[in-house]
Amino acid sequence: KNEVEQSPQNLTAQEGEFITINCSYSVGISALHWLQQHPGGGIVSLFMLSSGKKKHGRLIATINIQEKHSSLHITASHPRDSAVYICAVLFNNDMRFGAGTRLTVKP
Amino acid sequence: DAGVTQSPTHLIKTRGQQVTLRCSPKSGHDTVSWYQQALGQGPQFIFQYYEEEERQRGNFPDRFSGHQFPNYSSELNVNALLLGDSALYLCASTQGVGYGYTFGSGTRLTVV
Repeated sequence: KNEVEQSPQNLTAQEGEFITINCSYSVGISALHWLQQHPGGGIVSLFMLSSGKKKHGRLIATINIQEKHSSLHITASHPRDSAVYICAVLFNNDMRFGAGTRLTVKP
Repeated sequence: DAGVTQSPTHLIKTRGQQVTLRCSPKSGHDTVSWYQQALGQGPQFIFQYYEEEERQRGNFPDRFSGHQFPNYSSELNVNALLLGDSALYLCASTQGVGYGYTFGSGTRLTVV
């Protein structure tokens, strides 16, 4: 079983919709990252969380350490949000990744 | 301030050949990690280098080896290439056992 599980695997939304991507992990972690990967491969770190909630523009990330669960929310989604979103946990001094959620936002 | 730089960006090799990929970490970072990302999957941890030594290793065969230089840059070497080694190879750097990882854009390796 993968240490980091994401859902859904694929997500299609209409522009303006509220998006939620979920991440569950099974190991003790010191931090969790939400990453964005566009076609071509480059990865951008969106958030790093160790507790609570963070917000940046239309993006919100939350984490519940007791439940070993995190969510990434996108409000008022836009076609430029289309990308793969990856949850990664900092475990044993390095990162373990989920398989990613492919988000497509249609105009 | 340059981020993580990887070279080359794309590479095509033949089965059985050897390949070397390079990574320059972000300024101020001393730890480099390498990941393999197959198409449609999340990245898988290959190994991590710190103070010129392999500190940790994922579940990859000995065909995958690496090196870190005194300037903290790193190389990933893969011997006896297999078709299944075709993937995006990502490098990320951080400071010590830091939380803030910076990723490179990756090297896309195709083995034919």
